[in-house]
Amino acid sequence: IAGITQAPTSQILAAGRRMTLRCTQDMRHNAMYWYRQDLGLGLRLIHYSNTAGTTGKGEVPDGYSVSRANTDDFPLTLASAVPSQTSVYFCASSSNLHSEQFFGPGTRLTVL
Amino acid sequence: GIQVEQSPPDLILQEGANSTLRCNFSDSVNNLQWFHQNPWGQLINLFYIPSGTKQNGRLSATTVATERYSLLYISSSQTTDSGVYFCAGMEYGNKLVFGAGTILRVKS
Repeated sequence: IAGITQAPTSQILAAGRRMTLRCTQDMRHNAMYWYRQDLGLGLRLIHYSNTAGTTGKGEVPDGYSVSRANTDDFPLTLASAVPSQTSVYFCASSSNLHSEQFFGPGTRLTVL
Repeated sequence: GIQVEQSPPDLILQEGANSTLRCNFSDSVNNLQWFHQNPWGQLINLFYIPSGTKQNGRLSATTVATERYSLLYISSSQTTDSGVYFCAGMEYGNKLVFGAGTILRVKS
């Protein structure tokens, strides 16, 4: 079934640890995105990629990095997690930057 | 950047009732989407509707881009319609700006 998968589903992490959230899509979409969802703040864009090999910063990029080595995968890395990064993280993709975005199931991350 | 406002913030319906959710945006958008976030947290695409009217079963949506608003209509509501409804607009480039959402609870 075509779509977006994310791993892990949930994770509890000690502050200071490194963590990579994985995202894979099989729709051959060019653009991919990472959002975080926090109560009262809605969804906010962290980083995006409009095609393999390129990435860009969104609204809240500090503390996060991404890479786009190929079309299908767009991992999000927290180099040294802090409690304020406790959130639900959604990966999304679209055929290009201006078209309809589709979202993965999310990863619930708790940083203690 | 654009601002997106949704109303009402929350809504309780009796099963079978109809409802209208509204989304206002501060500037012109070239991408307007409606999502349903179900109680399990999944974001489900409802409509991609930068302008005009679309229908999908009991749901329909209308965007009047020149007046900077979009409406989501839910007819004959069911308990499975419960959850949070988000609209999101994209002014240009890459960022979808989400509204705060409408929390819908449908009672049987």
